[in-house]
Amino acid sequence: EDKVVQSPLSLVVHEGDTVTLNCSYEVTNFRSLLWYKQEKKAPTFLFMLTSSGIEKKSGRLSSILDKKELFSILNITATQTGDSAIYLCAVLGLVTGNQFYFGTGTSLTVIP
Amino acid sequence: GAVVSQHPSRVICKSGTSVKIECRSLDFQATTMFWYRQFPKKSLMLMATSNEGSKATYEQGVEKDKFLINHASLTLSTLTVTSAHPEDSSFYICSARVRGTNTEAFFGQGTRLTVV
Repeated sequence: EDKVVQSPLSLVVHEGDTVTLNCSYEVTNFRSLLWYKQEKKAPTFLFMLTSSGIEKKSGRLSSILDKKELFSILNITATQTGDSAIYLCAVLGLVTGNQFYFGTGTSLTVIP
Repeated sequence: GAVVSQHPSRVICKSGTSVKIECRSLDFQATTMFWYRQFPKKSLMLMATSNEGSKATYEQGVEKDKFLINHASLTLSTLTVTSAHPEDSSFYICSARVRGTNTEAFFGQGTRLTVV
C-alpha cells in the first residue's frame, strides 16, 4: 500500500535549536517529493526533490532526498518562533496518472 | 499517534454526478477540519473550514453550493462535490485540528478526483 509517514508528529524546541523532520515513503513509481509549511490560509510550498543526494537550501531551511532508503529530511537551523508551523510532506507517484500521497504533517513549536 | 483517514484515495466519476470524500480523525477529536485543493505548480488552496455542529466557512471564490461540507461529529467531516465537471478534477486534502489546541493539526492522505 502506498503511503507517506512523517516523524515526529510533534516537536517542541527552543529558539536557536536545530531540528530535523523526517518523511519516509512507499510510493509506486516515485516522481518527486514536496515539502510544505502550513501557515495562514494554506500550506506554503518549500521544496521539491527529485534526485537523491542533492541538497536544496533556502535560508535556514534545507532538505535532501534518499531514493535508495526512501526518505527525505527537512532541516531547520537556528530556529525562530516564526518557524512554528506544521510541516507537510507529499510524494508524487505515477499510478495510471499522477497521484499525490500526503503525510500527516509534523507540528513544530519553537519557544523563546 | 494522531491519524487522519481520508477516503477514497482515488475516485473517477462522470460529469454531472456527485462524489463524497470523507475525512476522519481516528484517535482524536477534531472540532475543526480544513479542506484544501491542490492546484498545478504545487500550491494548496484552502477551500473551507468546517466546525463541528455548525456551517462551514468558505473562502472567497469557493462555491458553497457546489462543494458541500458537513461536519456532523467530532471525528468526521465530508466534502461532497456536486454536479462535478472536468475542471473539478484535482487533489483534495483535509486536515483536522486537535480539539483543545490552536496549532496541532494533522493531514489526511489526499483524494485524487478525476471527472470524465
